[in-house]
Amino acid sequence: GAVVSQHPSWVICKSGTSVKIECRSLDFQATTMFWYRQFPKQSLMLMATSNEGSKATYEQGVEKDKFLINHASLTLSTLTVTSAHPEDSSFYICSAPQGPHNGETQYFGPGTRLLVL
Amino acid sequence: GDSVTQMEGPVTLSEEAFLTINCTYTATGYPSLFWYVQYPGEGLQLLLKATKADDKGSNKGFEATYRKETTSFHLEKGSVQVSDSAVYFCALGAQAGTALIFGKGTTLSVSS
Repeated sequence: GAVVSQHPSWVICKSGTSVKIECRSLDFQATTMFWYRQFPKQSLMLMATSNEGSKATYEQGVEKDKFLINHASLTLSTLTVTSAHPEDSSFYICSAPQGPHNGETQYFGPGTRLLVL
Repeated sequence: GDSVTQMEGPVTLSEEAFLTINCTYTATGYPSLFWYVQYPGEGLQLLLKATKADDKGSNKGFEATYRKETTSFHLEKGSVQVSDSAVYFCALGAQAGTALIFGKGTTLSVSS
């Protein structure tokens, strides 16, 4: 099946710093990727839709100036958490769709755990 | 709007027991349905999927049938193993290029 990678898998940073998370589709191209956030023992919360060549679409309540998304190429989307604070600590997961229009499947990255001290 | 409801957990079973995790959905169109599994500290792995009514998805002994009449996609396995312990998510894909809609997840714990 299709493979999506994320880097880094773990990051610890000081409050006020910025952190960049990469999401790559390794063996297919993705004009769209999705960024989710997951709190402990909870489901995934969609943060934004990353679109190659255009601006990201953010879900209601997600600060676009805090969570900067750049879809640099057909295989790479980045999420930058700017001026991170402890409440931004979470598990961030990306996904990319692949397959035919009527049989598309979302493939997920392994996630990035962010801890802001 | 579209939504997914799955049974609350945790579900605790002994090894070799039969597993059912219920999932029902609400959708205006003809969605694709998915089960994903998440092991501790990891991302989501696709377990199985079905793209139209009466389709049966299956993988690693797990099965789920897309039932349009009951708007359900229940996950079943005849004999669970300790290694099946994980969180299972039912999800709905309304249309191509859009994000999935997830249920809240069901934690399965299997003991030997």
